[in-house]
Amino acid sequence: SQQGEEDPQALSIQEGENATMNCSYKTSINNLQWYRQNSGRGLVHLILIRSNEREKHSGRLRVTLDTSKKSSSLLITASRAADTASYFCATPPSGSARQLTFGSGTQLTVLP
Amino acid sequence: IAGITQAPTSQILAAGRRMTLRCTQDMRHNAMYWYRQDLGLGLRLIHYSNTAGTTGKGEVPDGYSVSRANTDDFPLTLASAVPSQTSVYFCASSEQGGDYNEQFFGPGTRLTVL
Repeated sequence: SQQGEEDPQALSIQEGENATMNCSYKTSINNLQWYRQNSGRGLVHLILIRSNEREKHSGRLRVTLDTSKKSSSLLITASRAADTASYFCATPPSGSARQLTFGSGTQLTVLP
Repeated sequence: IAGITQAPTSQILAAGRRMTLRCTQDMRHNAMYWYRQDLGLGLRLIHYSNTAGTTGKGEVPDGYSVSRANTDDFPLTLASAVPSQTSVYFCASSEQGGDYNEQFFGPGTRLTVL
């Protein structure tokens, strides 16, 4: 069952602009991860944020987590054409398996 | 090699045939995973293994089987392929099982079942 869901499904921006993607999930979580997938490639881990953290930074990436709203956002600042990719949030599903489930992703296109 | 390798890169298969997708990692990770990725559905977990000798079912295990005879290899077998198994298959690994660990992904196998 899908726990996290990204929004929007697709986003197109100009190089240099900021890109914001959102993830909503259904049940309580211990942490949330964001991954990137370039076309035709495997996923690459970007960042993990724990449930007791509200914000985390990694280079041009900023992730926020609002456990009261069951949502997270990924902000990419000063975007580049190389940031063109699909971005997925991953959360553990409800139940005891504690394996990650991935949303269907946001397709980001950064135009030069 | 470094990371995760998958073979074959792509395959066209007749329905009813048996097929094994191979996955090997050289990071000595305990946990390994198989996902399928279909357009608009994201990644769905097929099977996983938290350590050599153990396996578990994911969200969509029917029609697939796995084995984990050693730490490095985690093959996925389709006993009798059906067209609905047309998908891109990704193998992944992490140091330990569970949701706190970063997963490392292979390049994927594109499988078409006719």
